[in-house]
Amino acid sequence: DAGVTQSPTHLIKTRGQQVTLRCSPISGHKSVSWYQQVLGQGPQFIFQYYEKEERGRGNFPDRFSARQFPNYSSELNVNALLLGDSALYLCASSLGGTTNEKLFFGSGTQLSVL
Amino acid sequence: QKEVEQDPGPLSVPEGAIVSLNCTYSNSAFQYFMWYRQYSRKGPELLMYTYSSGNKEDGRFTAQVDKSSKYISLFIRDSQPSDSATYLCAMKVDSNYQLIWGAGTKLIIKP
Repeated sequence: DAGVTQSPTHLIKTRGQQVTLRCSPISGHKSVSWYQQVLGQGPQFIFQYYEKEERGRGNFPDRFSARQFPNYSSELNVNALLLGDSALYLCASSLGGTTNEKLFFGSGTQLSVL
Repeated sequence: QKEVEQDPGPLSVPEGAIVSLNCTYSNSAFQYFMWYRQYSRKGPELLMYTYSSGNKEDGRFTAQVDKSSKYISLFIRDSQPSDSATYLCAMKVDSNYQLIWGAGTKLIIKP
């Protein structure tokens, strides 16, 4: 079975640009979460979506937005990129039914902002 | 002070040794505790998932949770060079979907 797939794997942008990252969850999983991992740190929670509805949001500015599609795939958008947005962006999928569910992560999108 | 503290290492041990990795936390509301392994430039891989206090064993891995001390551990027996990676602890409260993570400990197993 395919795991969580993320695209692209690497991305280079300049300050002020906008970026869209994509994620396809494990088949049968209805929830997608997004995390930001800066080098040398643990992941930081950005969003969780379930059945196309936002179920949770971390402490990130409004430049960060996301959505989930009817097939449960998801996009993360970041506007007006800053140098500090350079990080590994991780998508995780889960079944979606409860708060104690296990999260399974993709390999991430490495975003570099120059 | 961070909610979850984890020594960044690196921790270097010879092949075959028993490895002990630890995290401390400050939020007594945490009820679910996880250990993830992350190889360079890859996403975290779930190793162990435990609820509340106690021990859980899975193959060469044992996870321990001591809620009274706000301390969790991961033990790796018969360590292998392929175990070389960064190990991250994560935890959450029951009513929240958000995982709170440690910064990770880099583990090096020397052949």
